[in-house]
Amino acid sequence: GAVVSQHPSWVICKSGTSVKIECRSLDFQATTMFWYRQFPKQSLMLMATSNEGSKATYEQGVEKDKFLINHASLTLSTLTVTSAHPEDSSFYICSARPLGNYEQYFGPGTRLTVT
Amino acid sequence: GQQLNQSPQSMFIQEGEDVSMNCTSSSIFNTWLWYKQDPGEGPVLLIALYKAGELTSNGRLTAQFGITRKDSFLNISASIPSDVGIYFCAGANFGNEKLTFGTGTRLTIIP
Repeated sequence: GAVVSQHPSWVICKSGTSVKIECRSLDFQATTMFWYRQFPKQSLMLMATSNEGSKATYEQGVEKDKFLINHASLTLSTLTVTSAHPEDSSFYICSARPLGNYEQYFGPGTRLTVT
Repeated sequence: GQQLNQSPQSMFIQEGEDVSMNCTSSSIFNTWLWYKQDPGEGPVLLIALYKAGELTSNGRLTAQFGITRKDSFLNISASIPSDVGIYFCAGANFGNEKLTFGTGTRLTIIP
């Protein structure tokens, strides 16, 4: 149980284009999903908290207009990296938290490379 | 943001050895979680702890919630090759949805 999927698992895009990453909780409902960014050999850095049906809450220093988050249902959240630049290249990981639970279950991650 | 301090930063051990690592915080947490991350993958939840002093096992893994609520420990007994990876602790508090992650402990098994 508690399976989270991400799609795509990797993506290469050209500078200036936008990329959408999907995060789905497959066997549970998640009122809250989280988006993280991870640089090589570093810990996870929280970008934003996504609540179903409401606007996402972004961490300090994360541009909300650049990283658009939509949490349209209890099982799906999307992250769109708009006008991507090479410095946006990173490993993006989502997690989902079941209702009434403090545990977060992570997706397998999406490797984004912007050329 | 705040990060929890994990020690050691890296470990090089031989197969079959026991492993101990810890996680410390300057503030208290009500929940401690331990995750393992393989290269190129998302973290996988290993153990969740909810009570100070609690000792919980998951197979060869045992984790403890420190009595001060400011630390947690993870032990792995009789390590095997698939234990290789990065172990992260994470703390959470009631009423706060976010997790505060540790800096990670990288485990390598020497042939």
